[in-house]
Amino acid sequence: AQSVSQHNHHVILSEAASLELGCNYSYGGTVNLFWYVQYPGQHLQLLLKYFSGDPLVKGIKGFEAEFIKSKFSFNLRKPSVQWSDTAEYFCAVSPHRNYQLIWGAGTKLIIKP
Amino acid sequence: GAVVSQHPSWVICKSGTSVKIECRSLDFQATTMFWYRQFPKQSLMLMATSNEGSKATYEQGVEKDKFLINHASLTLSTLTVTSAHPEDSSFYICSARDAAGGSYEQYFGPGTRLTVT
Repeated sequence: AQSVSQHNHHVILSEAASLELGCNYSYGGTVNLFWYVQYPGQHLQLLLKYFSGDPLVKGIKGFEAEFIKSKFSFNLRKPSVQWSDTAEYFCAVSPHRNYQLIWGAGTKLIIKP
Repeated sequence: GAVVSQHPSWVICKSGTSVKIECRSLDFQATTMFWYRQFPKQSLMLMATSNEGSKATYEQGVEKDKFLINHASLTLSTLTVTSAHPEDSSFYICSARDAAGGSYEQYFGPGTRLTVT
């Protein structure tokens, strides 16, 4: 069965630290990849997405993610986090030409000021 | 652009009653809408996929007679929780796919917190 795994359920960092959140998926075919963010009390927002082309994609608020096909991974990175990045981050995958999203369990990120 | 609203944002109902949740795409047409359920400290669970003008496709384990979905127009889908029980208490989230351009991106509503007493 297709699945998405996020390596850490909780991450606590200090401001200005670098961030990398892991995401791996199990699906052998072509996929579309997404990272969504849910700030406290707000709804899910798209952070970035990968459909094709350059495997390094840049999203909003200084986030980027790299698709490594051989590793079935789509890790999210940010070189220097801010307190306002405190949120829950979800990785999601949809098989190509399929509009349904398969979700990871989410990673709750807490940034200490 | 691409705003999805849900109404109500929270609702408390008594066991045995029915509750209707609305999901609207405000500035785009949505041929496909999705209904999710989110349990505390867990990820989103897809309940059903709703296509405008046709019956919803339910995920395995989701009772279609309990969770009635109607997608009568390109901007509105409704989820009715019938004969609600305390175990139906949860956070329900809808998302919509923009009909234009074949986008695979989904836009999410703010969610509806349902508490069944």
